[in-house]
Amino acid sequence: EAGVAQSPRYKIIEKRQSVAFWCNPISGHATLYWYQQILGQGPKLLIQFQNNGVVDDSQLPKDRFSAERLKGVDSTLKIQPAKLEDSAVYLCASSQPGLAGGRYFGPGTRLTVL
Amino acid sequence: GDSVTQMEGPVTLSEEAFLTINCTYTATGYPSLFWYVQYPGEGLQLLLKATKADDKGSNKGFEATYRKETTSFHLEKGSVQVSDSAVYFCALSDQGAQKLVFGQGTRLTINP
Repeated sequence: EAGVAQSPRYKIIEKRQSVAFWCNPISGHATLYWYQQILGQGPKLLIQFQNNGVVDDSQLPKDRFSAERLKGVDSTLKIQPAKLEDSAVYLCASSQPGLAGGRYFGPGTRLTVL
Repeated sequence: GDSVTQMEGPVTLSEEAFLTINCTYTATGYPSLFWYVQYPGEGLQLLLKATKADDKGSNKGFEATYRKETTSFHLEKGSVQVSDSAVYFCALSDQGAQKLVFGQGTRLTINP
């Protein structure tokens, strides 16, 4: 079974530029999550999708971050414009009912904002 | 709100030493508890879980017991290996399994 795929793996941009990350969840997983992991901290949920609808985006900085999940499969997370404090690893995860909260995580995208 | 507190790292041990990484939680109701591991350059992997009080999760020689009376879920391994070097995250999810809350992570380094 293929895991959660993410691209790119690394990205370096200057502040005020835009960036986009892509995620392909495990086939059949209806729920998709984007997490932000700042160095030395645990992952923080940014947004959760159920199929192509948003379940929770309470911690998404909506003035600069946006995410979509068209057709309930792939998802993209965009930052526009980026700030220095956005430097982090962005993790995508997916799950299916019955996992009692467990998630399958992708390898992440490491973003550096200069 | 719900929260997870882990012992601060980094933790450095010699091969074959006994490992304990402490984890305590604050939650309403009866959460499920998890340990995730993040090897260098990889994403988080579920290591083990426990869904109710007194359950013991185990995998790859690691164990953790859900202790409701002490609100703890400490990770243990009797004899660590160099390949266990990674960052370990304790986490909980609420009863609806909608939110997963992570601790800050503990970096473990095992020296040969």
